[in-house]
Amino acid sequence: EVQLVQSGAQVRGPRESLTISCKGSGYSFTDYWIAWVRQMPGKGLEWMGIIYPGDSDTRYSPSFQGQVSISADNSIKTAFLHWGSLKTSDTAMYFCARGLSGTLSPFFLDYWGQGTPVTVFS
Amino acid sequence: DIVMTQSPDSLAVSLGERAAIRCKSSQSLLYSLDRKNYLAWYQQKPGQPPKLVISWASTRQSGVPDRFSGSGSGTDFTLTINSLQPEDVAVYYCQQYYNTPNSFGQGTKLEVK
Repeated sequence: EVQLVQSGAQVRGPRESLTISCKGSGYSFTDYWIAWVRQMPGKGLEWMGIIYPGDSDTRYSPSFQGQVSISADNSIKTAFLHWGSLKTSDTAMYFCARGLSGTLSPFFLDYWGQGTPVTVFS
Repeated sequence: DIVMTQSPDSLAVSLGERAAIRCKSSQSLLYSLDRKNYLAWYQQKPGQPPKLVISWASTRQSGVPDRFSGSGSGTDFTLTINSLQPEDVAVYYCQQYYNTPNSFGQGTKLEVK
């Protein structure tokens, strides 16, 4: 059974750093992309970026480039989303999701993690 | 970057009636070499992660009821839900995967009238 299990809820202050994780199981971790998607309270889905663990190819949305970094550790089948300096506006739910490698771009996201709520208090 | 625009933002439909949600992309999602439209639809219920409903604009995922259907090509797409059921109440998003960033539409909230 394919599963993506994310790390638990996080509470931080502004300017603190944070890394959240997404562990894949039930499939070949290096053969699929892992995307990160933000959902701010009461708002829609925002595609942040994506990594292909097979070769570490990483792509970011311009809106998030330089604000976060995405990485993966294949030995533990886990992808990471990292902030070096949090802002209150980073308060949101963050989802990871799996995408099959495609011709033009990573394909649709067929399995999703349960989400990690991040709260940055002022 | 490709911009995805959904309409309407919210929709109220009576149980048993049809719901139609539209999605328009700022450039064509039809890839000439394979003649496929690189568009997906997701359903998100409160407190849950999104769930993939339709891929390739019209391919229903395994386990998705056949009252859900996707249509359209190029830049204009529609998700249709026939005979609305209470469990279909959710927010629906379209997403293009023609190129990165794989942008989403803003979402359409579907409610029961």
